[in-house]
Amino acid sequence: NAGVMQNPRHLVRRRGQEARLRCSPMKGHSHVYWYRQLPEEGLKFMVYLQKENIIDESGMPKERFSAEFPKEGPSILRIQQVVRGDSAAYFCASSLEYNEQFFGPGTRLTVL
Amino acid sequence: AQSVTQPDIHITVSEGASLELRCNYSYGATPYLFWYVQSPGQGLQLLLKYFSGDTLVQGIKGFEAEFKRSQSSFNLRKPSVHWSDAAEYFCAVAASGGSYIPTFGRGTSLIVHP
Repeated sequence: NAGVMQNPRHLVRRRGQEARLRCSPMKGHSHVYWYRQLPEEGLKFMVYLQKENIIDESGMPKERFSAEFPKEGPSILRIQQVVRGDSAAYFCASSLEYNEQFFGPGTRLTVL
Repeated sequence: AQSVTQPDIHITVSEGASLELRCNYSYGATPYLFWYVQSPGQGLQLLLKYFSGDTLVQGIKGFEAEFKRSQSSFNLRKPSVHWSDAAEYFCAVAASGGSYIPTFGRGTSLIVHP
């Protein structure tokens, strides 16, 4: 049973470009969570999604960031017009309903 | 809202020595508590969790943690550290009966000397 998969593992973008981060949850998991980790800090919650629904986006910046979890395919975290402050590791986790979260290996975004 | 404090940014121990990593939380009711480990360049792996019941929780890799309500603490312990335990350790708290989204501490970096 494959774990949570994220791709790409490393992503480099120039300021103003778009970044798309993908997360495939564990088989059978319908809940997906996105977190951001800045250097030497813990993970900060961004958004919680179930299939085709955003349940909690209280941690998402109001502008430039969006997330989706379509009926088919992976969850996508999209960052438009990236700035240097967006450089971070972005982690996805998945779970069964209201249960333990399993984390992916993360995508490390570098904005030049 | 809940919060977590990990007062030690770095901890250095010798291989074979015992280990205790501190974690204090703030939450109005009985929380869900977690310890995760993160190796460099990797995601987080759950070491152990507390939901209810026995306050001494056993986890993987020989780790244990004790929930002390009176001290609002959930310290992680290991009797004998191995070099492979060098990593970043995160304590997390989630609201019981909520959406299970944990709030993480800033982490403690464990350095193991041979």
